[in-house]
Amino acid sequence: EADIYQTPRYLVIGTGKKITLECSQTMGHDKMYWYQQDPGMELHLIHYSYGVNSTEKGDLSSESTVSRIRTEHFPLTLESARPSHTSQYLCASSEFRASGNTIYFGEGSWLTVV
Amino acid sequence: GESVGLHLPTLSVQEGDNSIINCAYSNSASDYFIWYKQESGKGPQFIIDIRSNMDKRQGQRVTVLLNKTVKHLSLQIAATQPGDSAVYFCAEKLGGGGNKLTFGTGTQLKVEL
Repeated sequence: EADIYQTPRYLVIGTGKKITLECSQTMGHDKMYWYQQDPGMELHLIHYSYGVNSTEKGDLSSESTVSRIRTEHFPLTLESARPSHTSQYLCASSEFRASGNTIYFGEGSWLTVV
Repeated sequence: GESVGLHLPTLSVQEGDNSIINCAYSNSASDYFIWYKQESGKGPQFIIDIRSNMDKRQGQRVTVLLNKTVKHLSLQIAATQPGDSAVYFCAEKLGGGGNKLTFGTGTQLKVEL
């Protein structure tokens, strides 16, 4: 079982508020990711990082931003939340295995913007 | 009214039967594949992986089969249990470096007692 933690798990906020979703991993993984998932749908990569001070946009355009100042920490920020941002946000990190790079996920943060 | 985005393919099996969940992947250049299990309200959990130089890999009660000719992946679960009820996703990684995974549409597995 992977040690990757997300807070908050559930959040309801008003339109226009700033929100930061926290993600921490204690495994020393260099690579970290944020995925967005709507109910019953597939996961879409919105941000990833290959190490400290490295951040890249994912395949799905997102108005959120990320930072990677420490290896273990990869927070995601929405400067001004909108109802269209309502979704589940999943943080992940990866390690190298003999068979490939396996990505481990946190429990997710459910964001509802009203 | 109809709910958007909640029409996952569903597989219903009897407890104790074997389950086979299928996935068609999109890119012939993908060299690594993973099956994830996602229970309601939780993040995806790693089940088993396979590299493209293999066509079969077995774990505890699970087997993944890879057919590169038709770009098809399957997950077989032996003696399915109620705790196996979840949504199952396959994911593929393009070859050539990088670690980004592309996820397929999940399959809802329902285990009936």
